[in-house]
Amino acid sequence: GAVVSQHPSRVICKSGTSVKIECRSLDFQATTMFWYRQFPKQSLMLMATSNEGSKATYEQGVEKDKFLINHASLTLSTLTVTSAHPEDSSFYICSAGDSGDYTFGSGTRLTVV
Amino acid sequence: GQSLEQPSEVTAVEGAIVQINCTYQTSGFYGLSWYQQHDGGAPTFLSYNALDGLEETGRFSSFLSRSDSYGYLLLQELQMKDSASYFCAIYSGAGSYQLTFGKGTKLSVIP
Repeated sequence: GAVVSQHPSRVICKSGTSVKIECRSLDFQATTMFWYRQFPKQSLMLMATSNEGSKATYEQGVEKDKFLINHASLTLSTLTVTSAHPEDSSFYICSAGDSGDYTFGSGTRLTVV
Repeated sequence: GQSLEQPSEVTAVEGAIVQINCTYQTSGFYGLSWYQQHDGGAPTFLSYNALDGLEETGRFSSFLSRSDSYGYLLLQELQMKDSASYFCAIYSGAGSYQLTFGKGTKLSVIP
């Protein structure tokens, strides 16, 4: 089956620094990838849709200058959390797929201290 | 906009059958998916219904009624490892085929 690899799985960073999260489709090409954020015991909230070769589409309320998304190839999308603050601490998950059958990366637990 | 409603918690006995319901409201609908998520893990795909009726995959079955904007996930022969959160999600097909998730149902399987 389709495999989506996400790295790192856990990261701790200091407030004010930036963190990059990578999402790779290992055995298929993904023109579209999705980035979600999940707070403890809550649902997955779509942050943005990453489109290969074009600008990402951000959901309402998500700061595009804070959450930079780059989808430079058909197998790689990156999410950079810039100037991270403690309130950005969360579980970030990417996914790719179509027709309702989406494969998720293993997620990145970000802790900003 | 889109919204999904599902129970927040369900408890069932090992070996039993449990049904998790999901109702939704959406302006565009292509299908209903179900995902399982264990604590600290990523969601894993369980099933997808685009048409009315029942889809069966091993111990798990999923049902959709488009006219009622309703679906359910049926888990049979419950095992302890089935304890997890279960999310229904709408595949709206709007623009970039994104998924909108419900708030999840935490299933606890007890001996």
